[in-house]
Order: sequence, then C-alpha cells, then structure tokens
Amino acid sequence: GAVVSQHPSWVICKSGTSVKIECRSLDFQATTMFWYRQFPKQSLMLMATSNEGSKATYEQGVEKDKFLINHASLTLSTLTVTSAHPEDSSFYICSAMDSSGNTIYFGEGSWLTVV
Amino acid sequence: GENVEQHPSTLSVQEGDSAVIKCTYSDSASNYFPWYKQELGKRPQLIIDIRSNVGEKKDQRIAVTLNKTAKHFSLHITETQPEDSAVYFCAATHTGFQKLVFGTGTRLLVSP
Repeated sequence: GAVVSQHPSWVICKSGTSVKIECRSLDFQATTMFWYRQFPKQSLMLMATSNEGSKATYEQGVEKDKFLINHASLTLSTLTVTSAHPEDSSFYICSAMDSSGNTIYFGEGSWLTVV
Repeated sequence: GENVEQHPSTLSVQEGDSAVIKCTYSDSASNYFPWYKQELGKRPQLIIDIRSNVGEKKDQRIAVTLNKTAKHFSLHITETQPEDSAVYFCAATHTGFQKLVFGTGTRLLVSP
C-alpha cells in the first residue's frame, strides 16, 4: 500500500534555532500534503495545507513565518519550525492522499523537543 | 468550517464487552468519515471508514454507522480485547478537500 515517510522521528533543538521536518510519499505522487500538530493527550490539529509548486495554505492562528512549508516536488514536503521555542515542542505529523483518491496516509510523525 | 465533536473522552470496559464511541459533525458537505486508532507516540492507524452513500459498514469486530440527517456517526467495537486499548479519533472531510478535521479523541481502556 501507499506509504508516507517522515524524518526525523524525533529531534531535540535549542531555543532560537530552526528545525526541518521532511514528509515523503514513497510510491505515489502527492500534489497536496497536510501538516498536523498534536500536543500530549490532545487531538490532531491541522496546521497547513502544502501545495506542490505553490504557497501553503495556513489554518487560522498558525503563523506562516514561523512554520515554513516548502512543497518543491510531487513527493516531498518540508516543514521548518523557525526560531523554535519550548512551546513549539509537540508531535508533528503529515498526511497525503494516494493516487486513487480513496485513502489518506499518515507519516510516522516527528517528536520535537525544544530546550 | 467543519467541527467534529466526540464522546466520551474516556471509556473503560471489561474484556469481552462492547464499546461505542460517538461523533457529530457540522458540515453537511462532509462525505468521508474515517476512524483512527492511535497508540502513544505513533501515527494514527485507519481502522475503518464510511462514506456518505452508506449507512453502516462492518469489518470483523468493528462497525461504523452513519446518520447523515442527524450528522452523527459512531464506532462500535464488539468483544473487546486488551490490545484494543488506545486512543480513538473520528474525523470528517469532504473527499475533494482531503484535509481531515478530527474529533477530540476517546481513550479506551479494556481491562482483562
């Protein structure tokens, strides 16, 4: 079945630095990918829609200058958390719909800890 | 936009009992309703889904029902087992949009 891979699985960074998370569709092309954030014991909240070759669409309340999204190819979207702060510590997860348009697949998720 | 509510937030059952989790949605344009099981620190796993052209779907011990008029959909797990313990999320979307709006989650605990 279709697979979405995310990297890194976990990362620790210092406050003020930037961190990049990659989301790849391994055996299908994804013109659209989605980035979610999940705080402990909470639900998944959509952050933004990543569109191949164009600007991402951000959900209300999500800072586009802080969470940079680049979807430069049909198989790769990246999320960069800029000037990270401890409150950005969370589980970040991406998703994409396969070519059939029938199933949404999730990446493995990335744990970010900002110290 | 779409808003999904989910109840209960926690559910404790004895092994072998049935468990029911209920969700309501607000956007009548939503036509795809998946259910996910998520274990701590891992990605959500699709366990069953239903589209708006059917009212019920079953897969072994798991079933989902949909009432489009009332904008309700429910997950039914029969003969629960300890390995069913996890957090379950409902979600809703319009397949043309792909982005999922999740419910708040239900922590299911199945005691042996």
